Amino acid sequence: GAGVSQSPRYKVAKRGQDVALRCDPISGHVSLFWYQQALGQGPEFLTYFQNEAQLDKSGLPSDRFFAERPEGSVSTLKIQRTQQEDSAVYLCASSLGFRTRDGTYEQYFGPGTRLTVT
Amino acid sequence: GQNIDQPTEMTATEGAIVQINCTYQTSGFNGLFWYQQHAGEAPTFLSYNVLDGLEEKGRFSSFLSRSKGYSYLLLKELQMKDSASYLCAQVGSSNTGKLIFGQGTTLQVKP
Repeated sequence: GAGVSQSPRYKVAKRGQDVALRCDPISGHVSLFWYQQALGQGPEFLTYFQNEAQLDKSGLPSDRFFAERPEGSVSTLKIQRTQQEDSAVYLCASSLGFRTRDGTYEQYFGPGTRLTVT
Repeated sequence: GQNIDQPTEMTATEGAIVQINCTYQTSGFNGLFWYQQHAGEAPTFLSYNVLDGLEEKGRFSSFLSRSKGYSYLLLKELQMKDSASYLCAQVGSSNTGKLIFGQGTTLQVKP
């Protein structure tokens, strides 16, 4: 079946512009995560949705970052007034749920959107 | 916060065995994942450990010691295609399953 898809794959924005990044999770997956990955680093957690509810947004670096998942499927990460430090790969991941009897569900990652702010 | 430590780079020879170590903070442990990430691609799931011991999956094995806050990923019979970044990630919250990643270990396999 189809995996997690993200669009666009590449985005170049001028400093100060707003951008919107889209994530299509695997159908039926309850949990959706956004991560930010700087060059040469591991992904860093941004925010988490359980269906349409945003239950954790502790990783969003500033109030310029906003995420939504209005119908519990597709999610959009919006960055307002982009800055050069926002340049990174933005990864979306989904999972069936968050906790099984034996532990935690694995997350399936999309290919990411590479954002470059000039 | 939770600190995940793993070596930045490793080099190994095709056909050999390599062990990639990872240490993490033991407080509030909820499980540990290993992911593989080729350059420019999505991380893909390799293994998950929540109990002590060794989990084997073909050429890849992962070990966990909860008392020591230590895990390793063992790759056997290395192939050129194993050249990638290997990410150790701790489950940061039992309520959400969010992952706290290490910086990743870039493995270069040489002929």
